[in-house]
Amino acid sequence: GAGVSQSPRYKVTKRGQDVTLRCDPISSHATLYWYQQALGQGPEFLTYFNYEAQPDKSGLPSDRFSAERPEGSISTLTIQRTEQRDSAMYRCASSDVAGGFGELFFGEGSRLTVL
Amino acid sequence: SQQGEEDPQALSIQEGENATMNCSYKTSINNLQWYRQNSGRGLVHLILIRSNEREKHSGRLRVTLDTSKKSSSLLITASRAADTASYFCATDSGGYQKVTFGIGTKLQVIP
Repeated sequence: GAGVSQSPRYKVTKRGQDVTLRCDPISSHATLYWYQQALGQGPEFLTYFNYEAQPDKSGLPSDRFSAERPEGSISTLTIQRTEQRDSAMYRCASSDVAGGFGELFFGEGSRLTVL
Repeated sequence: SQQGEEDPQALSIQEGENATMNCSYKTSINNLQWYRQNSGRGLVHLILIRSNEREKHSGRLRVTLDTSKKSSSLLITASRAADTASYFCATDSGGYQKVTFGIGTKLQVIP
């Protein structure tokens, strides 16, 4: 696609429910990142993929969080048994530099509210 | 955890003045990037400087990098009201692709 697309843009859920967020990166981009951003803070690294490989998931806060990119394109971030502290903006970014260090292109984010 | 830390956390200037933001980081890097974020929107890439570069320019932006001090600065010259945004530095972790962001500087340019 022309840019990084994230869905849903807004998600309100009740505590204890599972949530899945989706990211559709720029089609030629090998690398995909997930970040969590609280209001007024910088993006916090969660995990990244090179194609379908997931070399680093050190930023995932707990085992309730998981991410997939099975075919090396679209990625999902799943939060199981959501808690109020999971409320945040979740941002996806992609980069065309596999194995290197290039510009990240961000989507508009998915705002998650856990009641 | 966040690798970078911007300073100041907030900055308010008059239109036409220059704005300088600083970023300090903890571990060795391959490159450092600066991003802008308007009102909770997605982050937009401004400029990338590699660890073997000391200074880089792009339009009204000037970035410096001092790897011995593990710090970088972003200078915006002749600021405009449209420059009002949050600015973040981002670094990789020297050999790894993990890109981490600082806490940001919130810049307000008063018309």
